[in-house]
Amino acid sequence: AQSVTQLGSHVSVSEGALVLLRCNYSSSVPPYLFWYVQYPNQGLQLLLKYTSAATLVKGINGFEAEFKKSETSFHLTKPSAHMSDAAEYFCAVSVNTNAGKSTFGDGTTLTVKP
Amino acid sequence: DTAVSQTPKYLVTQMGNDKSIKCEQNLGHDTMYWYKQDSKKFLKIMFSYNNKELIINETVPNRFSPKSPDKAHLNLHINSLELGDSAVYFCASSQFTGGYEQYFGPGTRLTVT
Repeated sequence: AQSVTQLGSHVSVSEGALVLLRCNYSSSVPPYLFWYVQYPNQGLQLLLKYTSAATLVKGINGFEAEFKKSETSFHLTKPSAHMSDAAEYFCAVSVNTNAGKSTFGDGTTLTVKP
Repeated sequence: DTAVSQTPKYLVTQMGNDKSIKCEQNLGHDTMYWYKQDSKKFLKIMFSYNNKELIINETVPNRFSPKSPDKAHLNLHINSLELGDSAVYFCASSQFTGGYEQYFGPGTRLTVT
């Protein structure tokens, strides 16, 4: 079975500062990895995904993530935070077996201070 | 043009009642899901259907019964509602199972009093 751990349930940064949200995964087979963002009172939307094509993945809104197999990590970064980035972020892992079930992390709340 | 839609958006009801939430996707996807998000924002999968066939059924009370009349629709019926059922319920869809991103609906906030 696969699992994902998001380190830090709350992250606070200043506007213009680097955003780093941490995600570590566990999977016995090659994983597919995703980052989703949830704005208040909305559903989740995909930020980016890793499907083994390239280890550095670029997503929407200036976010990117790097797949590091040796560290079993898929951390999300953005060079310069914007107030509009304040939201809940979820890391998720999926594999081609297990009926395609995605396992979500517990989420990280990103706060951006002016 | 809404991709995954849910109705109603808000649902307030009393304990013991029966209620349904409807979900529709117009993306042509084969797989649909129901998730429950609690007050701490934890997201837990409840059910998944692929082409109208149930493929994931997590440990969910029998009071919850999904129904997929066709692959574009997945409804959730809840019997004998309890206080602990209060949560936000999300419907989602993906092209196929395994390794595909999911598209989420806006959620249905269920409050049981």
